[in-house]
Amino acid sequence: DQQVKQNSPSLSVQEGRISILNCDYTNSMFDYFLWYKKYPAEGPTFLISISSIKDKNEDGRFTVFLNKSAKHLSLHIVPSQPGDSAVYFCAARGYYGGSQGNLIFGKGTKLSVKP
Amino acid sequence: DTAVSQTPKYLVTQMGNDKSIKCEQNLGHDTMYWYKQDSKKFLKIMFSYNNKELIINETVPNRFSPKSPDKAHLNLHINSLELGDSAVYFCASSQEEAGEIKNEQFFGPGTRLTVL
Repeated sequence: DQQVKQNSPSLSVQEGRISILNCDYTNSMFDYFLWYKKYPAEGPTFLISISSIKDKNEDGRFTVFLNKSAKHLSLHIVPSQPGDSAVYFCAARGYYGGSQGNLIFGKGTKLSVKP
Repeated sequence: DTAVSQTPKYLVTQMGNDKSIKCEQNLGHDTMYWYKQDSKKFLKIMFSYNNKELIINETVPNRFSPKSPDKAHLNLHINSLELGDSAVYFCASSQEEAGEIKNEQFFGPGTRLTVL
């Protein structure tokens, strides 16, 4: 049962262009969403997050948009750089055993930014 | 200076063996986690632990047990290893503030476990 879905396993973008990574979720109880970036042989690193009470959060080249009615969020990277090439995981804050804070991850989208 | 570290980075072992993976965080965080990334690349929570309680994902077999000798460490013990346990295991930590766990989690580099 995938509560967080990243339907595109990979994305290829030219340097300088916009990268748009998409994520869908099924659980309307999720109240916080995060994007993590992962390089090979390393652990995921936090990139940007958004609360469910907002529809946009921006941090430098990275912007996350949340459409609650569609249960959809997206990560925009502008302009894309070769160093952005990595796997991007969408995550939502879920609940296990009545305790908050546990993250539910999507499968990831591998972004390749070509020079 | 590594924030969350795990050892070993690679672990190859035979079915039926018992093994441990160590995790240490030097961030002063209250809560630590173990995740499993399987062959389908899903990152799934296995445990979360702070000094008050251990939350277990009910899908995790009881052959897996976390042990916390102190606040900075959460080690993962696995008994009677099975082929399906082969995966990458990530440790993570986060800070609880005002009774609420912060959303950002810091991950270790992962331990690739291969069971033969």
